[in-house]
Amino acid sequence: KQEVTQIPAALSVPEGENLVLNCSFTDSAIYNLQWFRQDPGKGLTSLLLIQSSQREQTSGRLNASLDKSSGRSTLYIAASQPGDSATYLCAVNSGNTPLVFGKGTRLSVIA
Amino acid sequence: ETGVTQSPTHLIKTRGQQVTLRCSSQSGHNTVSWYQQALGQGPQFIFQYYREEENGRGNFPPRFSGLQFPNYSSELNVNALELDDSALYLCASTSDSGNTIYFGEGSWLTVV
Repeated sequence: KQEVTQIPAALSVPEGENLVLNCSFTDSAIYNLQWFRQDPGKGLTSLLLIQSSQREQTSGRLNASLDKSSGRSTLYIAASQPGDSATYLCAVNSGNTPLVFGKGTRLSVIA
Repeated sequence: ETGVTQSPTHLIKTRGQQVTLRCSSQSGHNTVSWYQQALGQGPQFIFQYYREEENGRGNFPPRFSGLQFPNYSSELNVNALELDDSALYLCASTSDSGNTIYFGEGSWLTVV
């Protein structure tokens, strides 16, 4: 059974700092890994999707990497801003299986 | 804007009652899935529909049921509500060809 763990559970950083969020999964036979953002009380917004054949994806100040063999992914946020404050969720799936989510990392960027 | 809309946004029900949550997804998105997200937890998969047939189910009891309609709308029904059913219920849709999954804003259900 696939399990996804995210560390840390919460993180508070000053504005402008670069930061890394971590995600690990127990079964390396994944098809996709996705990072989502969730604002308080809101739905999920897809940030980056990495297919199993890829090593990383970039979008603006965000960079996500994937190491399937070790069951790890990182989300790197450069030059953090207060608007980045949200919960970041990592999720994996295998083929047509549903997404399995971690519990998320709650990020606060202090101005 | 994900193109997935859910209603209602918030509702309060009493233990033992029944609730229906609704979702409207993008035209052409034949797969719709529902997730339950308790406070402080990640979303948990409830079930998935493809072209009006259930084709996957998570670890949820039969009192959680669903329907998908030809017009790309769907419903999540929960009978005999329990206090632990209090959560954010998320609907998501994908097209046949795409990897990207689009989530709605969710419906907050409080059971008292």
